[in-house]
Amino acid sequence: AQKITQTQPGMFVQEKEAVTLDCTYDTSDQSYGLFWYKQPSSGEMIFLIYQGSYDEQNATEGRYSLNFQKARKSANLVISASQLGDSAMYFCAMRESISSGSARQLTFGSGTQLTVLP
Amino acid sequence: DAGVTQSPTHLIKTRGQQVTLRCSPKSGHDTVSWYQQALGQGPQFIFQYYEEEERQRGNFPDRFSGHQFPNYSSELNVNALLLGDSALYLCASSIAGGRETQYFGPGTRLLVL
Repeated sequence: AQKITQTQPGMFVQEKEAVTLDCTYDTSDQSYGLFWYKQPSSGEMIFLIYQGSYDEQNATEGRYSLNFQKARKSANLVISASQLGDSAMYFCAMRESISSGSARQLTFGSGTQLTVLP
Repeated sequence: DAGVTQSPTHLIKTRGQQVTLRCSPKSGHDTVSWYQQALGQGPQFIFQYYEEEERQRGNFPDRFSGHQFPNYSSELNVNALLLGDSALYLCASSIAGGRETQYFGPGTRLLVL
């Protein structure tokens, strides 16, 4: 089974509007972390936001917020007030076993290509 | 504060050749991870280095090897290149312990002909 599923290959949003990018995950661990990265066409992966499995509040970083629903195993990224510069590929990723430190790698989804329209 | 740097930015090789990619981590970071990203896909974990040792490895053949130096910089070596090795190779650095957020470099685009 896929560990990270991003079901939206492409999304369009009007400038200044909000957009939600979906991410569901699969793990049997109790301690894990969820990350969102932005990848512009230049290729560099830019870290946006982190949510720990034990964090009681949803993470926020400026215009980015993470809608974390642990029981549903979803960690959707919400971008408010979209800007043209937000057009990029967005990846959801997970690191399992954070408390034990036994798993080091990030497992990525297939990404969502976001296009912001003027 | 310099971010993660990688060299070269682009590389063209032929099948059977060997390639070495280089990575310098963010200042203060002690851990380096390497990922392969094929066109249209998410990155796949190759391996991670900490304290000059390979700490974890993904599902990649032994043709892929690496090294970490005392200054925490790292190299990725790929032997006997195949056409399927054509990809963007991303290096990420982090600080061991805690959430270990990984910060990525701009990548090296490798084309194998």
